[in-house]
Amino acid sequence: DAGVIQSPRHEVTEMGQEVTLRCKPISGHNSLFWYRQTMMRGLELLIYFNNNVPIDDSGMPEDRFSAKMPNASFSTLKIQPSEPRDSAVYFCASSLAWAVGVAFFGQGTRLTVV
Amino acid sequence: GESVGLHLPTLSVQEGDNSIINCAYSNSASDYFIWYKQESGKGPQFIIDIRSNMDKRQGQRVTVLLNKTVKHLSLQIAATQPGDSAVYFCAETGTDKLIFGTGTRLQVFP
Repeated sequence: DAGVIQSPRHEVTEMGQEVTLRCKPISGHNSLFWYRQTMMRGLELLIYFNNNVPIDDSGMPEDRFSAKMPNASFSTLKIQPSEPRDSAVYFCASSLAWAVGVAFFGQGTRLTVV
Repeated sequence: GESVGLHLPTLSVQEGDNSIINCAYSNSASDYFIWYKQESGKGPQFIIDIRSNMDKRQGQRVTVLLNKTVKHLSLQIAATQPGDSAVYFCAETGTDKLIFGTGTRLQVFP
């Protein structure tokens, strides 16, 4: 398996634009997590899914953020409209539901909003 | 831009020495603890885990110690190598969420 695949690796966008980050989890994993990493706040859990269902989105900072998981092999994190303070590295991770501690992370998407 | 950031504790060790990285957790309900390693430009990577019914677990060159009384976790790396240079995070899960601590930067010098 190629591991968790995220795209794009880097994204530079202008303030106000819509940004969509994509994630392909490891095949067979039924838990998926979106994290944001910044110098200010470290690694923050934004939202996680079990069996494609959002379980806890309490970490999503604002209504501008939304996440979907239409099937077991794909998830998106969307920011609309984007703001400079959204600049961060966004990680997607997946795991087996009974072993969430052993999560496999993607390489991350470095988002810069100018 | 950001003018104030997290002050990551930094541990500097000489190659070949042992490293000890510490972590305090706050949630008494957490029953499972994990250490992750994050190299520059990469996502965090699982190293070793320990359940709350244990106080020690060993892996290859790494040992995790858990002291539930004082809510303290430590990661010991034996014979530290340059490739061990990274940021190390402790993480905990009491339900089905994986929550990370702030991290410690390990620098290995020759």
